[in-house]
Amino acid sequence: AQKVTQAQTEISVVEKEDVTLDCVYETRDTTYYLFWYKQPPSGELVFLIRRNSFDEQNEISGRYSWNFQKSTSSFNFTITASQVVDSAVYFCALSEAEGNNAGNMLTFGGGTRLMVKP
Amino acid sequence: KAGVTQTPRYLIKTRGQQVTLSCSPISGHRSVSWYQQTPGQGLQFLFEYFSETQRNKGNFPGRFSGRQFSNSRSEMNVSTLELGDSALYLCASSELAGSFSTGELFFGEGSRLTVL
Repeated sequence: AQKVTQAQTEISVVEKEDVTLDCVYETRDTTYYLFWYKQPPSGELVFLIRRNSFDEQNEISGRYSWNFQKSTSSFNFTITASQVVDSAVYFCALSEAEGNNAGNMLTFGGGTRLMVKP
Repeated sequence: KAGVTQTPRYLIKTRGQQVTLSCSPISGHRSVSWYQQTPGQGLQFLFEYFSETQRNKGNFPGRFSGRQFSNSRSEMNVSTLELGDSALYLCASSELAGSFSTGELFFGEGSRLTVL
């Protein structure tokens, strides 16, 4: 069975601080996909990143960066110089592979509510 | 390009009733997935449809069902509603399913169901 754990239920930071959201996963599959989604107050989940299990390179996109470590089954997300607009709930998710691609059946973590104060 | 549209956005039902929720995917997307979000259980996968066929189903009772039409629009139905069915029901679409998917799901804003 697959499982995703986001131990931090809520984080509060002051604007411009850096913040790291932790994600630990469990799976028996050798091929799998990891995701991060953002859920603003409006409710829809917004895709941030997808990573497959064979690609352990860290990725940076503007103020966002992701650290994937297969050895510790972790896929952490860092926001540099946080802004008020980053306030949202962030979900880490896992899907098994279907063939050479990600399946659409995601297992989500419990989410981390990030509050960035001005 | 219009996003994923879910209707109704809010609804209130009483125990024992049934409800139908609708989802219109992004134009050109043929895969539609449904998720239930509750404070206690978090986000849980309900089912996925592709080309009018159910591809995957989550661990939910048979009271939860769905279907997809030839234009890719999807509906989900919950019969004999229980208090625990109160949740935000999210629909997501993607261009293709499974083997050919980009892995990016586009979510709607959800239908918030309250069961009294």
